[in-house]
Amino acid sequence: RKEVEQDPGPFNVPEGATVAFNCTYSNSASQSFFWYRQDCRKEPKLLMSVYSSGNEDGRFTAQLNRASQYISLLIRDSKLSDSATYLCVVPPRENFNKFYFGSGTKLNVKP
Amino acid sequence: NAGVTQTPKFQVLKTGQSMTLQCAQDMNHNSMYWYRQDPGMGLRLIYYSASEGTTDKGEVPNGYNVSRLNKREFSLRLESAAPSQTSVYFCASRVLGTGSEKLFFGSGTQLSVL
Repeated sequence: RKEVEQDPGPFNVPEGATVAFNCTYSNSASQSFFWYRQDCRKEPKLLMSVYSSGNEDGRFTAQLNRASQYISLLIRDSKLSDSATYLCVVPPRENFNKFYFGSGTKLNVKP
Repeated sequence: NAGVTQTPKFQVLKTGQSMTLQCAQDMNHNSMYWYRQDPGMGLRLIYYSASEGTTDKGEVPNGYNVSRLNKREFSLRLESAAPSQTSVYFCASRVLGTGSEKLFFGSGTQLSVL
């Protein structure tokens, strides 16, 4: 099983829709979780960090489900500019330097 | 503030040729990373350096070597390039410590091996 797994999508949604992606992880000891955003042919950039049950930043909410070992990213009121690939990162607790990325979920927000 | 700088941005190699990808950061970060990204496969960790003087293997280290030249610079070397190494390579850095897990990325190197 891969360290971090994501549904590749694409998720095609209209503007204004609410969309959610999940990311499952295999290391039950992981304590910190991250969502990165990557635009086409660009470098990834940190979107949100999750250290406990969840985090909210404007239209974006990240939640952690430790029992089922997944994190989710919810985007409300989708904008065209939200179109991107969303990558999750779950460093293992025993070696926080191993920043393994999921393969990413592609989101297309359409007019 | 330049952040993380990678060179070159583009490179075409023939099978068997060697080359070094350069990466430098000016943020005084402790840890540095090399990733490759192939279509549909996300970023895969090649090697990382937790601090100056140390390097460790990531998920896909075969065919690569690295050097942490000093705190600023972390280079990636392909000794004998293969077509399977055609990819986009990203260098990243971060400072150690909780609450400082943000990775800062360079703009990437597009490498094609013919």
